[in-house]
Amino acid sequence: DSGVTQTPKHLITATGQRVTLRCSPRSGDLSVYWYQQSLDQGLQFLIQYYNGEERAKGNILERFSAQQFPDLHSELNLSSLELGDSALYFCASSVGGRPNSYNSPLHFGNGTRLTVT
Amino acid sequence: GENVGLHLPTLSVQEGDNSIINCAYSNSASDYFIWYKQESGKGPQFIIDIRSNMDKRQGQRVTVLLNKTVKHLSLQIAATQPGDSAVYFCAEGHNNAGNMLTFGGGTRLMVKP
Repeated sequence: DSGVTQTPKHLITATGQRVTLRCSPRSGDLSVYWYQQSLDQGLQFLIQYYNGEERAKGNILERFSAQQFPDLHSELNLSSLELGDSALYFCASSVGGRPNSYNSPLHFGNGTRLTVT
Repeated sequence: GENVGLHLPTLSVQEGDNSIINCAYSNSASDYFIWYKQESGKGPQFIIDIRSNMDKRQGQRVTVLLNKTVKHLSLQIAATQPGDSAVYFCAEGHNNAGNMLTFGGGTRLMVKP
């Protein structure tokens, strides 16, 4: 068990809808990362938050947004959903969010499987 | 499993044999590399990492080799067990990019009993 909790495990919704995915990081971890794993593209970095502030942005669509709350849990909001958004969404956490992160590996949750119909 | 749809190269080995999983990385400026294991229905799990100034690092039953000349990384698993069956990803990171990792495409390891 990585200590990272993601809810829900499965989510089925229709195109055009909006969903919220939730992540609770490991105790003591200040950074939260969101990754998307689709069938044809592997793991793609979306966004990172460190202690409540956005730290890095990857290939995140404008229809997607995230935030990290004072208690360090994070939510990923996906809106105007399209069929192509169907994927596994992983949250990961780590202690650090600063450079030289060799000794601060990411710990992943078990993901939320989103199916858009 | 969760990764069944991914179009991944597959390595099939006999239980007890050694496995070697390879990864070609793209960024010669990467400062460290990490191997992750992803079992069906679970998130990636950290296995072992290596700094760019090293060429070999050993863990429990695993060894990572780094060849910066050809930008190649390998994961060797000794005495492969059925529980090693999973998808293995290499990832590269840069010190100035926090913990943002760039993942490779993954290799599926299947262990035959």
